[in-house]
Amino acid sequence: AQSVTQLGSHVSVSEGALVLLRCNYSSSVPPYLFWYVQYPNQGLQLLLKYTSAATLVKGINGFEAEFKKSETSFHLTKPSAHMSDAAEYFCAVSDQREYGNKLVFGAGTILRVKS
Amino acid sequence: NAGVTQTPKFQVLKTGQSMTLQCAQDMNHEYMSWYRQDPGMGLRLIHYSVGAGITDQGEVPNGYNVSRSTTEDFPLRLLSAAPSQTSVYFCASSLERGYDEQFFGPGTRLTVL
Repeated sequence: AQSVTQLGSHVSVSEGALVLLRCNYSSSVPPYLFWYVQYPNQGLQLLLKYTSAATLVKGINGFEAEFKKSETSFHLTKPSAHMSDAAEYFCAVSDQREYGNKLVFGAGTILRVKS
Repeated sequence: NAGVTQTPKFQVLKTGQSMTLQCAQDMNHEYMSWYRQDPGMGLRLIHYSVGAGITDQGEVPNGYNVSRSTTEDFPLRLLSAAPSQTSVYFCASSLERGYDEQFFGPGTRLTVL
């Protein structure tokens, strides 16, 4: 069975600092990988996804993530944090071998941005 | 284009009561799913559907029922509410391939007393 581990339930950075949110997955074959963001009292929206094309994926709002098969990781980064980035971030995987679009989510990381 | 809509936004139930959470999408997506979100646990899949008339269980299906009579609608029924079902419920829809983006509704916050 697939699983996702997000290291750090809370991350705090200063405005303008680097954002790094960690995600490791467990899967017998390389999965599809996603990062979703949830702003307070809202649903989730897609930041970016990896679908076995380029290993460095660029998403919305200046975020990017790199797929590293050897490390089974898909960490999310942004060079310079903005106050509007404060939200909860979820890493998720789906199995390439299965029909349908079932996502397995990590526990989430709450990002706080200090002024 | 309203996307994915959910009703109600908030609901309080007593233990043993039943209710239906409504979900509708206007994007002609074949795949729809229900998740529950609990603090520190991320989102967990309850039930999903790959098309009208086809549903299947996810990770945490006990106490919930679904049906899919149309492409647009995918209601979630709580048969006999329990305090353990206090959660935020999200409906999502997408095309059916594993790499397709899922579009989420705004959620229903349910409290069971």
